[in-house]
Amino acid sequence: QSVLTQPPSASGTPGQRVTISCSGSSSNIGNNTVNWYQQLPGTAPKLLIYSNNQRPSGVPDRFSGSKSGTSASLAISGLQSEDEADYYCAAWDDSLNGYWVFGGGTKLTVL
Amino acid sequence: QVQLVQSGAEVKKPGASVKVSCKASGYTFTSYYMNWVRQAPGQGLEWMGIINPSGGSTSYAQKFQGRVTMTRDTSTSTVYMELSGLRSEDTAVYYCARNIAVRGAFDIWGQGTMVTVSS
Repeated sequence: QSVLTQPPSASGTPGQRVTISCSGSSSNIGNNTVNWYQQLPGTAPKLLIYSNNQRPSGVPDRFSGSKSGTSASLAISGLQSEDEADYYCAAWDDSLNGYWVFGGGTKLTVL
Repeated sequence: QVQLVQSGAEVKKPGASVKVSCKASGYTFTSYYMNWVRQAPGQGLEWMGIINPSGGSTSYAQKFQGRVTMTRDTSTSTVYMELSGLRSEDTAVYYCARNIAVRGAFDIWGQGTMVTVSS
């Protein structure tokens, strides 16, 4: 059971827009920024969105992030087959001595 | 180019220890923190702890306190993660990942090291 809650799966057809939610609490998302990672099959995670809504160089603008209160969302527009991957949200948690927490991951299937 | 290259796969018996290395290149080693994150087969990501390569200070997730040790060698730009008292539940891919600040995003990841714990 992960500290951040994500739906286990999501799907869409090519060209569609899909969103993936990430729910937390006041000690993590409510008080800190959210990052999103994309993990293609058999590879290491890759930073997709940082500081709630910033895209690293090289990440297409089809990917966008937002945060409100203790929840965050990742949106993918113009869905492509190569977007099929696992997506994880992450945030710093202020409890205990502070530590990173992740969502359980959402497997995105492009139909 | 900026990269993190990890050591190869390991097979260990229950109760043993494993030490995984992560060699950094393409950037100033002491300017970024290094984290260790693991992923059990078919499961999600789990943060284990962080080391500051500049001074060597560390912070570990409560779950791993007493079993994990993170160190660094500035002469070779390498960080190490040693996990002791291995059990089957420690079977996972272990990743190193850097960030510019403790609360910063992990912008570069190693390729991962598979550790299998089996009798």
